[in-house]
Amino acid sequence: DTEVTQTPKHLVMGMTNKKSLKCEQHMGHRAMYWYKQKAKKPPELMFVYSYEKLSINESVPSRFSPECPNSSLLNLHLHALQPEDSALYLCASSQRGTGSEETQYFGPGTRLLVL
Amino acid sequence: AQSVTQLDSHVSVSEGTPVLLRCNYSSSYSPSLFWYVQHPNKGLQLLLKYTSAATLVKGINGFEAEFKKSETSFHLTKPSAHMSDAAEYFCVVSLKAAGNKLTFGGGTRVLVKP
Repeated sequence: DTEVTQTPKHLVMGMTNKKSLKCEQHMGHRAMYWYKQKAKKPPELMFVYSYEKLSINESVPSRFSPECPNSSLLNLHLHALQPEDSALYLCASSQRGTGSEETQYFGPGTRLLVL
Repeated sequence: AQSVTQLDSHVSVSEGTPVLLRCNYSSSYSPSLFWYVQHPNKGLQLLLKYTSAATLVKGINGFEAEFKKSETSFHLTKPSAHMSDAAEYFCVVSLKAAGNKLTFGGGTRVLVKP
């Protein structure tokens, strides 16, 4: 099974709201990723967790706060977002995050709209 | 630094005709190369990957790609397009020296005409 699940599928939030995106995988992968994808653009890496520790933060604003409670779960906490943060947020996982040949498996994404 | 260039932002083909999506990469070292497909409002699905084994790589749904080091290319082909192939395709490079981060090409949108 190469499935990564994400909830919710769609999310609408105001600029003062706090919400969370969730990602789950049961492939025994130890690396998990958050990407942001704007319309008609490729995904952009936001965060990488490897063995439940944050290993890469691509200078993402602090209104995005990742959390990795265990090896299967990855959350993205959202607070005081701006309309330009509206995008498709993709989660991915890979076996260890240590090999360039590793395949990243992507979830279906959460479509976020900030009003 | 590594980079990926997808030479066509849009490709239009008729159903049943061949598909060619062109990708050139730039890398100082031997990279791993991937093709992903993204259908509308969906996540990315791996089509195939090259990791320094056979230079001709076969993937899912009848797609294949050939790694040509001399041309720094990794073009994706399919002999006969199907309506379900209409999607966005991304060529991706991963390099251990770059922390195994994925570098995406700009994407090619494929339109399949009946």
